[in-house]
Amino acid sequence: DTAVSQTPKYLVTQMGNDKSIKCEQNLGHDTMYWYKQDSKKFLKIMFSYNNKELIINETVPNRFSPKSPDKAHLNLHINSLELGDSAVYFCASSQSGIQPQHFGDGTRLSIL
Amino acid sequence: DQQVKQNSPSLSVQEGRISILNCDYTNSMFDYFLWYKKYPAEGPTFLISISSIKDKNEDGRFTVFLNKSAKHLSLHIVPSQPGDSAVYFCAANHFDQTGANNLFFGTGTRLTVIP
Repeated sequence: DTAVSQTPKYLVTQMGNDKSIKCEQNLGHDTMYWYKQDSKKFLKIMFSYNNKELIINETVPNRFSPKSPDKAHLNLHINSLELGDSAVYFCASSQSGIQPQHFGDGTRLSIL
Repeated sequence: DQQVKQNSPSLSVQEGRISILNCDYTNSMFDYFLWYKKYPAEGPTFLISISSIKDKNEDGRFTVFLNKSAKHLSLHIVPSQPGDSAVYFCAANHFDQTGANNLFFGTGTRLTVIP
């Protein structure tokens, strides 16, 4: 029944590794997003995908790349992980237009 | 540059009383405002929203007020219940021609409702 699900919930890894976080939504929405919540609890948008096209790409390092195999999935790939990447990453989805976004429960990424 | 600000990191209210959470924004282009509620280890849950063409929206115990001239909005919860204890995030949105739904969040206010 989970509307927006992301896996894994926790991810602990070493600096320099490459990792992926998966996100799936079953709401039939046409837009998906990735947000980063830093240590100060500030939620900031990283990417959004609308109909498999990137329409927002905030100033995030190009080590981060979103990949959308279909409208229901938006995965986040991170290369060469750095200490500063430690954060909680949230996936969200919405229908385009004036509609609220629905969030997953987050993935806590810890870099050792 | 934080365009949405919640200056009160925490608020404690007695059960049955009114909770008032405040939010300020700087970008006059914002045209849609939302409140989200967040429990620990969960994602933000949409609570209530308001369009910039309105000054009030009510949904049960929750009312959002928008003062565009002051660039200020507030969330009123009445009566407050212990289950309302959570972190509340204010968010604002500006729609561009691409239909992008670019949400800007405040840093949240932790509400504690005391039984």
